[in-house]
Amino acid sequence: AQSVTQPDIHITVSEGASLELRCNYSYGATPYLFWYVQSPGQGLQLLLKYFSGDTLVQGIKGFEAEFKRSQSSFNLRKPSVHWSDAAEYFCAVGDYEAAGNKLTFGGGTRVLVKP
Amino acid sequence: NAGVTQTPKFRVLKTGQSMTLLCAQDMNHEYMYWYRQDPGMGLRLIHYSVGEGTTAKGEVPDGYNVSRLKKQNFLLGLESAAPSQTSVYFCASSYSGTRGYTFGSGTRLTVV
Repeated sequence: AQSVTQPDIHITVSEGASLELRCNYSYGATPYLFWYVQSPGQGLQLLLKYFSGDTLVQGIKGFEAEFKRSQSSFNLRKPSVHWSDAAEYFCAVGDYEAAGNKLTFGGGTRVLVKP
Repeated sequence: NAGVTQTPKFRVLKTGQSMTLLCAQDMNHEYMYWYRQDPGMGLRLIHYSVGEGTTAKGEVPDGYNVSRLKKQNFLLGLESAAPSQTSVYFCASSYSGTRGYTFGSGTRLTVV
């Protein structure tokens, strides 16, 4: 069965600094990978997704992620964070080999932004 | 442009009471899902549906039932609520599940 690990539960970053969130997955075939963001009290919003092709994908709000098959990783990055980026971030892997085409989510990383 | 709508947004139940959470989507999606979100555990799949009239168990189905009588609606029922079911519940829908989901804004349920 597929799984997703986000090693960092909390990250604190200063406004204007760079941000990198780690995501490692376990999946037998070529994965479909996603990053979602959840602002306090809100649902999850899709930031970006990877299906195939270019391993560096661009998303909304200035985020990007890089797929590294050799490391089973899909890390999320942003060059300069804004206070509005304070939120919880979830990495997910899609299983298209089983019924339901389900997404499996990591435990999430909560990002705090210092002024 | 509603997307996925969940009702209610908040609910407090007493142990043993029953309730139904409603999820409605207006995107003509075939796939619908119910997840629960608990601190440090991410989102865990309760039940899902791959089309009208179909339902299937997810990772944590015990204590919940679902129905999908109409394509646009996916109902999650708790027959006898327990404190362990205190959580935030999210519904999601998708044209093709692995292409990403559209989420509702969640239902915060407290069982006392």
